[in-house]
Amino acid sequence: GEDVEQSLFLSVREGDSSVINCTYTDSSSTYLYWYKQEPGAGLQLLTYIFSNMDMKQDQRLTVLLNKKDKHLSLRIADTQTGDSAIYFCAESTPGDYKLSFGAGTTVTVRA
Amino acid sequence: DSGVTQTPKHLITATGQRVTLRCSPRSGDLSVYWYQQSLDQGLQFLIQYYNGEERAKGNILERFSAQQFPDLHSELNLSSLELGDSALYFCASSVSPDDYGYTFGSGTRLTVV
Repeated sequence: GEDVEQSLFLSVREGDSSVINCTYTDSSSTYLYWYKQEPGAGLQLLTYIFSNMDMKQDQRLTVLLNKKDKHLSLRIADTQTGDSAIYFCAESTPGDYKLSFGAGTTVTVRA
Repeated sequence: DSGVTQTPKHLITATGQRVTLRCSPRSGDLSVYWYQQSLDQGLQFLIQYYNGEERAKGNILERFSAQQFPDLHSELNLSSLELGDSALYFCASSVSPDDYGYTFGSGTRLTVV
C-alpha cells in the first residue's frame, strides 16, 4: 500500500540480529502488524503492537514504535536460516477493518 | 495449517473466462477478507464480509464479485479475465471485524493465459 513503506531487501548473517524498518503515514493507525510470508505459503501473523505502546517483545522478536516519526521496526535476534522470508508491515485504522500492507522486505539469511 | 482453507491452490485459465475461488474460514471466525497479491501492486484489499453481509470494499474491479454463505464460507468470482488478473488471491478470517490481525489461508494462484 502507498501508505506503508518498507525497504525491499535485507541480507543478514546467521546468528546476527536483523532489523526491518517500516514507515507509515496515517497518524490514526490503531494497530501495526508484522507478517511473515514463506515461499508458497500465506501470511503468518508474527506480532502486532497497539499504537499507544513503544515496544513489544516476544521471544526473539522486538517491535519498536516511534509514533512521532511514524516509524516501526522489527528486530529478530539470533537470525536463523528459517527466518528467510518476506516480512510485511501493515497498519489498521479505527473503523477501517482492512489492513494496508507495505511492499514487503525480503530477508535472506546467509551462513 | 492456519485453519483457513482455500481451494483450488492453483488455477490456469484463458482470457475472457470466469473462475470461482473458495474460502472456508477458521472455525468460529465470522469475518472473511479477500486480498490480491501481485508483483506490481503488492497486497491489495478487495472485500470483507461479516456474518454473510458485505462490510467493506477495497480495490475490487466490477468484474469481480464475492459472497459469504450461511455456513460462512466465501467465494470470490472473477469474470472476463485478463492477463493482468494473474495473481495470488488470499482469503483471511477473523472472529469479528475489529479483531486485531487475522489468519490467512495459503492462497490460490491464478494464472490467466
